[in-house]
Amino acid sequence: DIVMTQSPDSLAVSLGERATINCKSSQSVLYGSNNKNYLAWYQQKPGQPPKLLIYWASTRESGVPDRFSGSGSGTDFTLTISSLQAEDVAVYHCQQYYSTRPTFGQGTKLEIK
Amino acid sequence: QVTLKESGPALVKPTQTLTLTCTFSGFSLSTSGRRVSWIRQPPGKALEWLARIDWDDGKFYSTSLKTRLTISKDTSKNQVVLTMTNMDPVDTATYYCARAGSGTSDAFDIWGQGTMVTVSS
Repeated sequence: DIVMTQSPDSLAVSLGERATINCKSSQSVLYGSNNKNYLAWYQQKPGQPPKLLIYWASTRESGVPDRFSGSGSGTDFTLTISSLQAEDVAVYHCQQYYSTRPTFGQGTKLEIK
Repeated sequence: QVTLKESGPALVKPTQTLTLTCTFSGFSLSTSGRRVSWIRQPPGKALEWLARIDWDDGKFYSTSLKTRLTISKDTSKNQVVLTMTNMDPVDTATYYCARAGSGTSDAFDIWGQGTMVTVSS
């Protein structure tokens, strides 16, 4: 199975500042035939299911604010929140869907400093 | 509007079999490319994908749990059922069903609210 590793495990950022979360896969999730990275990011607030933020590593889901952006390719990916808002406090998960057996990172807890 | 809802027992005893039902609306699992997965999350821990069933009845299972899992669908009822045998306290978790294959990607675009299952004698 593809192992997804996020860093850091937790992060505290001041309101209005940038937050950056990293995700590394144990093998490439870039599919050569379509040049797409099979990588998604989810936001999970307490007591709620995960919410899809980004797919194909950098495409925002409809309705997701543009302060959220995804980047990276192959095995190394980043989720960036350009200007942290109070409502962004959550756990963020990366996930690969390259394999028929999807796997998730361990999650990164984002808090306000 | 696409929705999914999980249902099943809140409490099961060790060694028992767990049966969970995902009832969905707003899409058809007969549509090419559609998939429904089960994913679980122990309290305070990471998400773990368990199983998937596709529009064409293709089935895929977690490598570590495949001997204990069975997934099936009833397209006429818009339901996906997951059974997990030989339950253990470490299986205590919130169990989610989620849709993939929206047409744009195979990420999980819609999730149910989840159902908490506790395994205890």
